[in-house]
Amino acid sequence: TQLLEQSPQFLSIQEGENLTVYCNSSSVFSSLQWYRQEPGEGPVLLVTVVTGGEVKKLKRLTFQFGDARKDSSLHITAAQPGDTGLYLCARPSGSARQLTFGSGTQLTVLP
Amino acid sequence: NAGVTQTPKFRVLKTGQSMTLLCAQDMNHEYMYWYRQDPGMGLRLIHYSVGEGTTAKGEVPDGYNVSRLKKQNFLLGLESAAPSQTSVYFCASSKPRGIEYNEQFFGPGTRLTVL
Repeated sequence: TQLLEQSPQFLSIQEGENLTVYCNSSSVFSSLQWYRQEPGEGPVLLVTVVTGGEVKKLKRLTFQFGDARKDSSLHITAAQPGDTGLYLCARPSGSARQLTFGSGTQLTVLP
Repeated sequence: NAGVTQTPKFRVLKTGQSMTLLCAQDMNHEYMYWYRQDPGMGLRLIHYSVGEGTTAKGEVPDGYNVSRLKKQNFLLGLESAAPSQTSVYFCASSKPRGIEYNEQFFGPGTRLTVL
């Protein structure tokens, strides 16, 4: 199993602060996905990154895929309480693009 | 469209009891998946299916069986529940698309406690 390590595991910040969470592996990936999960719900896809060095932006969220395609980061600018949730990175692979997930970063944004 | 629905939402079992979790999707997706989520461990794949009548094992298949008799339904069975199967179970579905456009749609989950 090719593991995905996420850090930090927990993050609690004040509204308006910036933050970065990381997803790392020793293996090269063809693509990487980021999901967000809110309490009592299933994960929802935020973005897929495919190309080494790729940067994608989704409003205040910036996603980057490492040049060597072994790591990825998620940066949130001016965090808001609505950003609170569990952020999961995942690697699609196999015949059904089944996902291998990282352990997640639990983000709490305090008003 | 309801998307992906799961039944039941909550269940408490005693050790040794059996049960079936039902997943239904109305998006005409070919691929369906069952994951379990435990604290601090993200989601792990139990079984998956690439189409009606086909199933395959994932990362943690022991103690579970699945069936996909209809395209829209994917059933997860526990024949003899154990406390180690206490978890939140998520079903997901997707269409076969290029890797850049692949997206799995998840249900709301079933919280199972085995005493």
